[in-house]
Amino acid sequence: GENVEQHPSTLSVQEGDSAVIKCTYSDSASNYFPWYKQELGKRPQLIIDIRSNVGEKKDQRIAVTLNKTAKHFSLHITETQPEDSAVYFCAPGDSNYQLIWGAGTKLIIKP
Amino acid sequence: GAGVSQSPSNKVTEKGKDVELRCDPISGHTALYWYRQRLGQGLEFLIYFQGNSAPDKSGLPSDRFSAERTGESVSTLTIQRTQQEDSAVYLCASSLAGVAGELFFGEGSRLTVL
Repeated sequence: GENVEQHPSTLSVQEGDSAVIKCTYSDSASNYFPWYKQELGKRPQLIIDIRSNVGEKKDQRIAVTLNKTAKHFSLHITETQPEDSAVYFCAPGDSNYQLIWGAGTKLIIKP
Repeated sequence: GAGVSQSPSNKVTEKGKDVELRCDPISGHTALYWYRQRLGQGLEFLIYFQGNSAPDKSGLPSDRFSAERTGESVSTLTIQRTQQEDSAVYLCASSLAGVAGELFFGEGSRLTVL
């Protein structure tokens, strides 16, 4: 079955700096690559996703890059702000199976 | 409704009792998921419903857990003879497009088993 790993498990950055979280997966059939954000005590919410025919996607301060050959995709957050503090989950999947969730990365933004 | 609705939001029960958790998905969403999230942990898949297809029950941790869904509407997750390790937040999510689309989560039902 699919094996998904996120790195790092915890990331602490200075406000205004950039943050990068990497997700590696094992199933070459995966073709959908979302990132979810879960603030403390809240529900997970999709922040950005990418499909396998695209290498990069941007939405204001966040971006996702995909390397299908190496089987990894990354979340990039620029100009980090206090409200970016949360746990971020990757959840790759394909059209025939479940999304497989990573263990999460806790992002801490230091003032 | 405007979003996924779950009830109860909080449930405290005694070990050995049965509990039922309810999820109202977004109208028109054919896919519905149940997840378990223990404190400080990731999402653990429990069960997936897609339209009128047979549900994917591969994530249910034991036969004490069961779930039903009537058509494309409300779903209930039942935990029989609750144990302390069942304490967690149970999250429901629905999706328009199935596994390759955005999941919309409810606020969750926090279960505490004493």
